[in-house]
Amino acid sequence: DAMVIQNPRYQVTQFGKPVTLSCSQTLNHNVMYWYQQKSSQAPKLLFHYYDKDFNNEADTPDNFQSRRPNTSFCFLDIRSPGLGDAAMYLCATRGQGNSPLHFGNGTRLTVT
Amino acid sequence: GENVEQHPSTLSVQEGDSAVIKCTYSDSASNYFPWYKQELGKRPQLIIDIRSNVGEKKDQRIAVTLNKTAKHFSLHITETQPEDSAVYFCAALSTGGTSYGKLTFGQGTILTVHP
Repeated sequence: DAMVIQNPRYQVTQFGKPVTLSCSQTLNHNVMYWYQQKSSQAPKLLFHYYDKDFNNEADTPDNFQSRRPNTSFCFLDIRSPGLGDAAMYLCATRGQGNSPLHFGNGTRLTVT
Repeated sequence: GENVEQHPSTLSVQEGDSAVIKCTYSDSASNYFPWYKQELGKRPQLIIDIRSNVGEKKDQRIAVTLNKTAKHFSLHITETQPEDSAVYFCAALSTGGTSYGKLTFGQGTILTVHP
């Protein structure tokens, strides 16, 4: 059973057209992450939430925003996607202590 | 912040041989070190992890060692099989200051196992 669910699996958007990616979890984990992964590269952390405490990476572009309205859901908003934002976006969750991340299947974003 | 270096970037072995991937980290406050396997187009899958109070952990053909003093940890795969071919990422979980809860990945190793 899927525990971290990302929708949609594939998203196509136009250059400059806002897009929202969604993530939900059934694990009741208090930490949620958004990673960006480009081809042949490691996942790059964009943000993470510890409960409602939001942590933004210093090099995450202002074009990227995130919302976590409750424990189960987290959203990634890209206000004006550029061609360089085409990537796989991975959501992950983690429970308390030194526990592993649980990844969703990712959303592959294409910008035309 | 944490910096994780991973080597080699590519590794090619014959089926049945062993494969070793090494990582170093910079933040002494990091205390959890998972390894992920990622196949093309799929999400990273946890294959083994180790916590800082343990020096070695083994799960069938996979083992991980950790040297906290030297700040390095390694993945060992024995009796490799073609289905082990994938990209492997090491990672370190930070527990200090503003990096608390942040998982930093190494650059990845493309492992190819030839039949």
